[in-house]
Amino acid sequence: ELQLVESGGDLVQPGGSLRLSCAASGFSVNSIYMTWVRQAPGKGLEWVSLIYGGGATYYTGSVKGRFTISRDGAKNIVYLQMTGLRLEDTAIYYCARGRGNYYPYFDSWGQGTLVTVSS
Amino acid sequence: DIQMTQSPSTLSASVGDRVTITCRATQTIGTWLAWYQQRPGNAPKLLIYRASILESGVPARFSGSGSGTEFTLTINSLQADDFATYYCQRYNAYSWTFGQGTKVEIK
Repeated sequence: ELQLVESGGDLVQPGGSLRLSCAASGFSVNSIYMTWVRQAPGKGLEWVSLIYGGGATYYTGSVKGRFTISRDGAKNIVYLQMTGLRLEDTAIYYCARGRGNYYPYFDSWGQGTLVTVSS
Repeated sequence: DIQMTQSPSTLSASVGDRVTITCRATQTIGTWLAWYQQRPGNAPKLLIYRASILESGVPARFSGSGSGTEFTLTINSLQADDFATYYCQRYNAYSWTFGQGTKVEIK
């Protein structure tokens, strides 16, 4: 059964760092697109980052240079390393699997992990 | 950057109603559009991709149409389970953009 479980969310001070994990089961994170999407409290969805099966990575503008997506194929985990955290990074962070013959859309989602940036 | 705008932002409807949500892109995106449903407290769920292809397991009362810059999500005979927020999303090889969401409320 396909499952995604996020962890690592926490309360962190502005300027701090955090690493989120997304443990996958039922498929290999090495062979497919994996992504992170966030949702600030009471707001809509915002795509954050995506890693291709081939390893290419993409980021939304506001996190470029601060966030890094990566994966560990042996553990079947995708990570989001977040540094230089800002108040506006406060959100639920969802990981999702991408699917598509040409361009990926997101077909399976985890339940999310909450990141709160506050002093 | 391509922006996605949904209308309305909130929609009040009754069980059994037919509802339509519109999503407009600031530039043509072909049919590279997906729709998601998010119930309160839950993760989003994929409903439709490639503008009109129903995801496996999604009830047939959901349908999508459109191409270029204007798209619609239609729910025929609204059910209690359908009261939720709906997002469109345009996608390509290197960026993904959601609309601001449309909340479907009980009238």
